[in-house]
Order: sequence, then C-alpha cells, then structure tokens
Amino acid sequence: KNEVEQSPQNLTAQEGEFITINCSYSVGISALHWLQQHPGGGIVSLFMLSSGKKKHGRLIATINIQEKHSSLHITASHPRDSAVYICAVEKTSYDKVIFGPGTSLSVIP
Amino acid sequence: EPEVTQTPSHQVTQMGQEVILRCVPISNHLYFYWYRQILGQKVEFLVSFYNNEISEKSEIFDDQFSVERPDGSNFTLKIRSTKLEDSAMYFCASRTTGETQYFGPGTRLLVL
Repeated sequence: KNEVEQSPQNLTAQEGEFITINCSYSVGISALHWLQQHPGGGIVSLFMLSSGKKKHGRLIATINIQEKHSSLHITASHPRDSAVYICAVEKTSYDKVIFGPGTSLSVIP
Repeated sequence: EPEVTQTPSHQVTQMGQEVILRCVPISNHLYFYWYRQILGQKVEFLVSFYNNEISEKSEIFDDQFSVERPDGSNFTLKIRSTKLEDSAMYFCASRTTGETQYFGPGTRLLVL
C-alpha cells in the first residue's frame, strides 16, 4: 500500500472552476509539501505545511494532522494552472520525502 | 531570485559507464537532496545530505550510487556502472532551515 495517496488521479476543469485535490497519508509526518510539476518536467514547491492552512494567491492548502489528510484548492482556475500536482510528506524533518503519485490537472478555456 | 542549477540537462550514456550529475544548490542552503523520476512514474527519493554526510538514503541508493560535495558550491551524484533501469530524470533540491525545498530543472539521463 502506498504511504501517500492522492485523488483524483486526473482532473479536467473549465476555466474559472474551483478545484480541490486531496492527499491522504498513512505515516507520521513532520511536514507535508504540495508541489507543481510543469509539462516540461520542472518541479516548483507551492506549500510546506505542518498544521492549519496556508494561502498564496489563488492557491489554498489545508492539513488535518489527526485525520492524516491534506487538500489543495485552486480558486478561479486558469489554463496556466494545468500541471501535475504532487503531495509529498516528510517523515522526519529534513530527511526522506515520500511522494504521492500526482494529480494531473487540465484546465480548459 | 536564487535558483538551483543542474548540469548537464541531458546525458546519453552506454550501459556500464560511469556518469556524474552535477548540481549547484542555493548558496546559503544547508540540506541537499537527489530524487529521480522514471518516465511516467512518481518522483522517488534517493538521498539526503547534511553537514557533509548522508543523512538518509533510500533502498534505491545502493553501492552503485554516491554523492559528494567536493567544494562549497557543487553537489554531485555519481552512478558507477549505469544500468538500463537508471534511465530517468534526476532532480537535485536544496533547502535551508524552516523553509521548503527548491528544485533544480533536472538532468534527463538515458542509458543505452
């Protein structure tokens, strides 16, 4: 069983829609990361969370440590948001990071 | 804005050859990482490095792999005798205390 699961695996949305991507994990963690992988392959870190909620522009990330669950929300989605979104967890601070399988998002104009 | 750089961007090698992938982390960062992503698969952790030594490594990181920080700027990943299954994109990342990781653009390695 994968230690980090994401849903959905693939997502197609119309421009302007509110999008939610979910992540669940089965191990104790020190932090959770949301990453964006562009079609060209580059990876950008969006958020690092250990509790609560963070917001950056149209992106919001939340985490519930007790339920071992995190969500990434995108408000007013845009075609440039099309990418693979990856949830990753750190079991111990600054060491091994376990990656989820990614959610492929396509936003259609 | 500071960034992590990697060279080469692409490398093609013959099975059994040694390859060295190079990374220049962000200058004040303390923690360094190598990851790989086989085409169509998820990103996998290889190794973390702190204070001039490996702090954790995955089961993938066997005796064929080694890392080095030979000077104050470079961070290298060496694969001693490449196999076909080493073909992947290799990402370097670095971070400082309390902050998230910054990823390099990756090196695409093809082993023939």
